[in-house]
Amino acid sequence: EAGVTQFPSHSVIEKGQTVTLRCDPISGHDNLYWYRRVMGKEIKFLLHFVKESKQDESGMPNNRFLAERTGGTYSTLKVQPAELEDSGVYFCASSPGTGGNQPQHFGDGTRLSIL
Amino acid sequence: AQSVAQPEDQVNVAEGNPLTVKCTYSVSGNPYLFWYVQYPNRGLQFLLKYITGDNLVKGSYGFEAEFNKSQTSFHLKKPSALVSDSALYFCAVRVFSGNTPLVFGKGTRLSVIA
Repeated sequence: EAGVTQFPSHSVIEKGQTVTLRCDPISGHDNLYWYRRVMGKEIKFLLHFVKESKQDESGMPNNRFLAERTGGTYSTLKVQPAELEDSGVYFCASSPGTGGNQPQHFGDGTRLSIL
Repeated sequence: AQSVAQPEDQVNVAEGNPLTVKCTYSVSGNPYLFWYVQYPNRGLQFLLKYITGDNLVKGSYGFEAEFNKSQTSFHLKKPSALVSDSALYFCAVRVFSGNTPLVFGKGTRLSVIA
């Protein structure tokens, strides 16, 4: 089966610009998660979708971040306007809908650099 | 609140020697524990998990981990390290319920020297 796909792999933008990250989960996976790793630190949870609904968005840093999952398939994470502290690697993960013991499958991440 | 500690930023081991990457956790409730590995410019790859049952779990690439409830630890081990095991290793925990997010440690970089 195809894995979790993220696009772009790398994005370099200037402070104040807008960037949109995309994640295509494994087909049939109801759960979709966004995480972020700032250089040298822990991977931090951002939000969790179950199908098209936001189950938990407690990790979203502020209202400059907007995530959507229209139709319950792929998801986008938009940062507008981008700030320097938003730099990091953004990971998307997905898992099946049944059972909390299922591992999450991760994409390769989008490396976001804000100049 | 849940937390994971990986006390070593870097672990160096000679090829063929046993390796251990340490992880301790703190949760309220029964934990689900996971190890992931990240190779350069790649995403996190699932290695193994502890859910319940036998405290020693075996995973991919010859890795295993031992769950120790009294010490709240879940150390990753391998009897004989390979140069190709060199990567960044993350320990993660979630509470025993639902599809809750993972809480990660900060990662440990493993270098296996030939």
